[in-house]
Amino acid sequence: GAVVSQHPSRVICKSGTSVKIECRSLDFQATTMFWYRQFPKQSLMLMATSNEGSKATYEQGVEKDKFLINHASLTLSTLTVTSAHPEDSSFYICSARDRVRGRNNEQFFGPGTRLTVL
Amino acid sequence: AQTVTQSQPEMSVQEAETVTLSCTYDTSESNYYLFWYKQPPSRQMILVIRQEAYKQQNATENRFSVNFQKAAKSFSLKISDSQLGDTAMYFCAFGQAGTALIFGKGTTLSVSS
Repeated sequence: GAVVSQHPSRVICKSGTSVKIECRSLDFQATTMFWYRQFPKQSLMLMATSNEGSKATYEQGVEKDKFLINHASLTLSTLTVTSAHPEDSSFYICSARDRVRGRNNEQFFGPGTRLTVL
Repeated sequence: AQTVTQSQPEMSVQEAETVTLSCTYDTSESNYYLFWYKQPPSRQMILVIRQEAYKQQNATENRFSVNFQKAAKSFSLKISDSQLGDTAMYFCAFGQAGTALIFGKGTTLSVSS
């Protein structure tokens, strides 16, 4: 149980285009999902917190108009990188908190999405 | 604001030996959780072990155990009988109910035969 999927796992796009990344909780309901960004050999940096049915909360320095987050249901959150540029190339990871089993603050991580912007 | 510090960027150990990864944190909160996550080359984050701050007893999961020193704000991970599959990046993380995790910079562990 507690599986989180991400789609796509890898994406290559041209500069200026938009890319959507999906994060799904497959066997539980997630009231809260988190989006992280990770550069090679570095730690995970929180980008935003996504709550079902409400606007996402962005961390300082993260452009909300560039990284659009939608959490329309209890099992799906999407991250759209708008007008992507090469500096947006990174590994994006989502995590989800189980609505019922939110004990111990455990979060379940997706496998990540590698974005390459040419 | 909470911070998590991992002072060992890289560690290496021989198979079957024991290794300890260090982690310190800073917080003024009394209720929180601490985690160790493993990120192998696949980059999937895997929960290794979890500790509730209110519990004095150190958590243990098979070959993995922690030394939780609340007063010193220290949370080290001991890996016994190291295996080649333990090769990965290890992250220490701090969390509170309902909030995102705060990660340390990570320690790259290499296990050799």
